[in-house]
Amino acid sequence: AQSVAQPEDQVNVAEGNPLTVKCTYSVSGNPYLFWYVQYPNRGLQFLLKYITGDNLVKGSYGFEAEFNKSQTSFHLKKPSALVSDSALYFCAVRGMNTGFQKLVFGTGTRLLVSP
Amino acid sequence: DSGVTQTPKHLITATGQRVTLRCSPRSGDLSVYWYQQSLDQGLQFLIQYYNGEERAKGNILERFSAQQFPDLHSELNLSSLELGDSALYFCASSAQTGLGTEAFFGQGTRLTVV
Repeated sequence: AQSVAQPEDQVNVAEGNPLTVKCTYSVSGNPYLFWYVQYPNRGLQFLLKYITGDNLVKGSYGFEAEFNKSQTSFHLKKPSALVSDSALYFCAVRGMNTGFQKLVFGTGTRLLVSP
Repeated sequence: DSGVTQTPKHLITATGQRVTLRCSPRSGDLSVYWYQQSLDQGLQFLIQYYNGEERAKGNILERFSAQQFPDLHSELNLSSLELGDSALYFCASSAQTGLGTEAFFGQGTRLTVV
């Protein structure tokens, strides 16, 4: 079965430092990968996606993600973290064996950026 | 603002009752998804509709049902409610049904069953 793993429940980083939120996936065929962010009492906001092409995908708010097929990973990155980036981040995947339509989400990683 | 509207934002009801959650997708989006977010289960896919027809079903209980109307809004009906049904219910919409299509989420309905 397809799955998405976010191995860290929480990531702590100081403002101005680079951040990485990890995600690995398991699907049949080509993966279609997404990152979403959830702020308190809000819905999920789409950040970026990988379909095909360049392994480095740029998204909203200065975030980017690197697709690595050999490591089946899609880590979210930002060169310089802001306190306002503190939120819950979800990785999601669609693949040929995900029931075609549904996005399968990871368990989420809480990012805490300290001043 | 994603353009997806969910009502009500909060709902408190008693066990055994029935509630209806409503979702208006983004203008022009034909596809609607429902998700349940709880602390112990994370984000669980419930069901998806495309232009009025059911397209995919996830871990949706038999006590739950959904439909998408001709104007494309969708309703999720939850009946015989149990304490464990307390969760945040999200609706999302997308323009297409392709694998690479992102979905846009509403702010959710927080259901509390007492």
